[in-house]
Amino acid sequence: GQQVMQIPQYQHVQEGEDFTTYCNSSTTLSNIQWYKQRPGGHPVFLIQLVKSGEVKKQKRLTFQFGEAKKNSSLHITATQTTDVGTYFCAESQTGANNLFFGTGTRLTVIP
Amino acid sequence: GAVVSQHPSWVICKSGTSVKIECRSLDFQATTMFWYRQFPKQSLMLMATSNEGSKATYEQGVEKDKFLINHASLTLSTLTVTSAHPEDSSFYICSARVRRTNTEAFFGQGTRLTVV
Repeated sequence: GQQVMQIPQYQHVQEGEDFTTYCNSSTTLSNIQWYKQRPGGHPVFLIQLVKSGEVKKQKRLTFQFGEAKKNSSLHITATQTTDVGTYFCAESQTGANNLFFGTGTRLTVIP
Repeated sequence: GAVVSQHPSWVICKSGTSVKIECRSLDFQATTMFWYRQFPKQSLMLMATSNEGSKATYEQGVEKDKFLINHASLTLSTLTVTSAHPEDSSFYICSARVRRTNTEAFFGQGTRLTVV
C-alpha cells in the first residue's frame, strides 16, 4: 500500500511555541484527512480537505491543502500540553474505498 | 461523533492458537470497515478493507489465510488471526465509515495482541 510521507518525524516544542507538520505525496490526492492520536489512544478525526488551495481553521489549528493537491500542512499556534500526540494525514486513492495513513509526526510539548 | 467499539482491548494467546477481534459500529451503519496494524511509535498500516456482504480487499503483503476478515452485517466486522505466532504480536485497530469514500473514519479503541 502507498504511504504518504510526513515531516518532521518528531518535534519537541516549548509550550507556547508554534508547530507545523507537512504531508507530501508523489501523486495527486483526491482529498486529505488529518487525525490526532494521543499516546495510548486511537486516532481521532480532525478535518478533511478537498479543494485545491483550501484552508480551514479550528481554533489554534490551521489546515492547508496545496494548490497541486499533492501536499498538506497542519499548523498549531501557541501549543499547549493538551496538543501532545501524533498527528497523521490520511488519504484515499481517487474513487477508491481505502484510507492510507501518513508516517505521522509525534509532537511533544514541554511545559 | 459516531462510536466504534472494538473487543477485546487486549488479549494474550499461546502460539498456534487463533484469536478473533470484533469491531462494531454502535450508532451507525458502516458500509466500510478498515483493519490496521500499528507497531509501537509507528504509523497505522492498512491491512484490509471490508465491505458489508462482500469479500475483503487485502493490501499487498497481507496474508488472507492468516488474517480472516468477515463483515457479515452493517454493524459488525471481525478479524481472526489464525495460528498466531509471536511476530503477530501488535496493536490491531479497526475503523468504520458510513459511506465508501470521502468521509471521516471512526476508530475503535484497538486490541493489543500478545502471542507467547
